[in-house]
Amino acid sequence: GAGVSQTPSNKVTEKGKYVELRCDPISGHTALYWYRQSLGQGPEFLIYFQGTGAADDSGLPNDRFFAVRPEGSVSTLKIQRTERGDSAVYLCASSLRPGVLYGYTFGSGTRLTVV
Amino acid sequence: GQQLNQSPQSMFIQEGEDVSMNCTSSSIFNTWLWYKQDPGEGPVLLIALYKAGELTSNGRLTAQFGITRKDSFLNISASIPSDVGIYFCAGQLDNYGQNFVFGPGTRLSVLP
Repeated sequence: GAGVSQTPSNKVTEKGKYVELRCDPISGHTALYWYRQSLGQGPEFLIYFQGTGAADDSGLPNDRFFAVRPEGSVSTLKIQRTERGDSAVYLCASSLRPGVLYGYTFGSGTRLTVV
Repeated sequence: GQQLNQSPQSMFIQEGEDVSMNCTSSSIFNTWLWYKQDPGEGPVLLIALYKAGELTSNGRLTAQFGITRKDSFLNISASIPSDVGIYFCAGQLDNYGQNFVFGPGTRLSVLP
């Protein structure tokens, strides 16, 4: 598509539930990034994929968070046993190749609210 | 973890005025980026800086990569209403890692 698409745009879930957030990168972009943005803060890195593999998952806060990109295109961020502190906007970005020289386009994000 | 500081936290200016904002860090960065974020949208890249001392312009925007590699500034000349938004700086610590550290942002309001 023309841009990075994230679905759903908003998600409200109960504490303890499981959620999946989807990211459709720009067609042909090999690198995909997940960031989390809390209210009033800048985005915080979670994980980066090059192709199908997670090249850097050092930003995932704990083992409740997991992300996949099985065919090297669409990615899903999965959060188990959600907690109220997980409430944030989850941003996805993609680039043609790794590195900012190739551009780094963000989606509009999924706003997750855990009640 | 690594932290970036941005100043000012927020600013109100008159349309037509010039704007200057800073980003500082205790760590050395190899790349500095400046982004703008509108409400309900993802950040949009404005300017990327790759070398210490580099000065780069993009229309009315000018940004510089500090000589110490621990700071950067962004200037906006002749502000217009659509400049309203949150401006983030982001730094990359090394040339091989792909994650960027973002600052907390500067919120800009432009009064007509």
